[in-house]
Amino acid sequence: ETGVTQTPRHLVMGMTNKKSLKCEQHLGHNAMYWYKQSAKKPLELMFVYNFKEQTENNSVPSRFSPECPNSSHLFLHLHTLQPEDSALYLCASSQDVYGIFYNEQFFGPGTRLTVL
Amino acid sequence: DQQVKQNSPSLSVQEGRISILNCDYTNSMFDYFLWYKKYPAEGPTFLISISSIKDKNEDGRFTVFLNKSAKHLSLHIVPSQPGDSAVYFCAASPSETSYDKVIFGPGTSLSVIP
Repeated sequence: ETGVTQTPRHLVMGMTNKKSLKCEQHLGHNAMYWYKQSAKKPLELMFVYNFKEQTENNSVPSRFSPECPNSSHLFLHLHTLQPEDSALYLCASSQDVYGIFYNEQFFGPGTRLTVL
Repeated sequence: DQQVKQNSPSLSVQEGRISILNCDYTNSMFDYFLWYKKYPAEGPTFLISISSIKDKNEDGRFTVFLNKSAKHLSLHIVPSQPGDSAVYFCAASPSETSYDKVIFGPGTSLSVIP
């Protein structure tokens, strides 16, 4: 248990559905991240938020829309996804954006998304 | 084309022996390297890191070796324990501050056999 929770843990959705993934941390961290891990592909950073402000969008398609209403919560809104978007979506948090380098980035367990 | 490669998708090692996980990278601008471990149904956890100014970093049973000229790094686990069975990811970054430029490898699944 890292202190980063994600809901739901599993999600199956059709291509026309709209759904949201939720991430929550009460570690007092200021940076939050969304990562995508597709089968047999490396982990990919999607979005970074620092103090609720988005600092990075690694060329992610607009059908993925992040939202960070406060420093404890991060959402990933999904709409009109494609089957190739099926993957494990991981949320992480750290005290600041450099925490990834100092053993201070904590990951949630992920949401396993299947797009039919 | 993958910038960070882990050419062995899986590795099996007897308990008590050494596990050696390899990682190769193509971008000579990478300057900082990390290893993560991931158990099923859990997120990755940071294991150990190394800066390009070093060629070795040790933390308990885990040692990372870096050969910059060969663009190669390896993670040694000695002695290997059944609890080390997990997927290990190598990652690389142009610097210790390029938090948005970290590139991960595809992972190597390690099985430590009791």
